[in-house]
Amino acid sequence: GAGVSQTPSNKVTEKGKYVELRCDPISGHTALYWYRQSLGQGPEFLIYFQGTGAADDSGLPNDRFFAVRPEGSVSTLKIQRTERGDSAVYLCASSPGDRGLGELFFGEGSRLTVL
Amino acid sequence: DAKTTQPNSMESNEEEPVHLPCNHSTISGTDYIHWYRQLPSQGPEYVIHGLTSNVNNRMASLAIAEDRKSSTLILHRATLRDAAVYYCILRDRSGANNLFFGTGTRLTVIP
Repeated sequence: GAGVSQTPSNKVTEKGKYVELRCDPISGHTALYWYRQSLGQGPEFLIYFQGTGAADDSGLPNDRFFAVRPEGSVSTLKIQRTERGDSAVYLCASSPGDRGLGELFFGEGSRLTVL
Repeated sequence: DAKTTQPNSMESNEEEPVHLPCNHSTISGTDYIHWYRQLPSQGPEYVIHGLTSNVNNRMASLAIAEDRKSSTLILHRATLRDAAVYYCILRDRSGANNLFFGTGTRLTVIP
């Protein structure tokens, strides 16, 4: 079925480089979320979009992280000047947007390794 | 966001029922109790949610204490495919639309 798709599945980069991670949500889902997950930890919220706008970006750790969703569908998470501590699995989820209750559908994640 | 407390790990024998506990003593009246699970190398997947009454679906049952300060996810017959990390999450129906995960309970199913 057409679930949430994330690319690339694996990305290895060097410290200081720029990285983009892409998320293709389920068609028709207005809400989109980015999480990141470090080894042995639960997913940590980064940012939430409702349509094209970032409704909550309180989880972005610093200004090196930025996300866009220009047409209200595909989203790109952008990380500038990557650091080794950015290594994690970046998860994207989408939901129909029902406030407070809608089930989140997650992709399989993009594993980022910063050397 | 209200906090939940879960055991770090549990074990179950295959084909037996599993009861996964969750404490949420600071739950508010508008918080729903959600459960997600995460299989190895996959993103989390929704399991079940409830407010006050016990809930059943094809995956599991959710038993909610009368005072709502705790809940239990019940897998009626554990299979090897149920080995995963199970997360208990409180979600305010009137608040933000995101989920805050803790560290969850790692369930090991023994053949």
